[in-house]
Amino acid sequence: GENVEQHPSTLSVQEGDSAVIKCTYSDSASNYFPWYKQELGKRPQLIIDIRSNVGEKKDQRIAVTLNKTAKHFSLHITETQPEDSAVYFCAASTTSGTYKYIFGTGTRLKVLA
Amino acid sequence: GAVVSQHPSRVICKSGTSVKIECRSLDFQATTMFWYRQFPKQSLMLMATSNEGSKATYEQGVEKDKFLINHASLTLSTLTVTSAHPEDSSFYICSARPMGSYEQYFGPGTRLTVT
Repeated sequence: GENVEQHPSTLSVQEGDSAVIKCTYSDSASNYFPWYKQELGKRPQLIIDIRSNVGEKKDQRIAVTLNKTAKHFSLHITETQPEDSAVYFCAASTTSGTYKYIFGTGTRLKVLA
Repeated sequence: GAVVSQHPSRVICKSGTSVKIECRSLDFQATTMFWYRQFPKQSLMLMATSNEGSKATYEQGVEKDKFLINHASLTLSTLTVTSAHPEDSSFYICSARPMGSYEQYFGPGTRLTVT
């Protein structure tokens, strides 16, 4: 069945450094890839997304890259700040049919001040 | 815009009773609503997809008779956990997809504790 692998499961970085989280998906029909940030006990919040017709998208300190051939996509956070500390989830979806998301297993990011 | 509410935020019930959770899209019409379950320090696991006016589609391993989903309107979906047991204790989160959008907007979640 469909599967999304996410690595690493935990990541600690010094404030100001960059953080990279990687995901791999199995369903070649997937064409929409959102990233969510979830703080403890709260709802997931969309931070950036990318569609399969582009290879990269950037929004201030956050960027996402997509390699459709390899079925990889990555989240890049530059100049990390303590408030970036949270759990990050990637997801893969198709923009037809049910539009359901398959989530990755999550990455707990800790930014050390 | 794109606000999703969920009620209740927390509920404690006794084993064997049923609990209903409501999910509402407040400022948009949702073609599709989704129900997820999240255990501590784990990912969101999709339980079912519901479309207004039709039966929900359940993911493999999710008991449809235990987790009853009703999507009565374009702004409301309900999840009823029937005959709840302690192992059903979890964080239940709904999401809603507006018409014509790829995105899902998440509710704040409901923490269910079954004693």
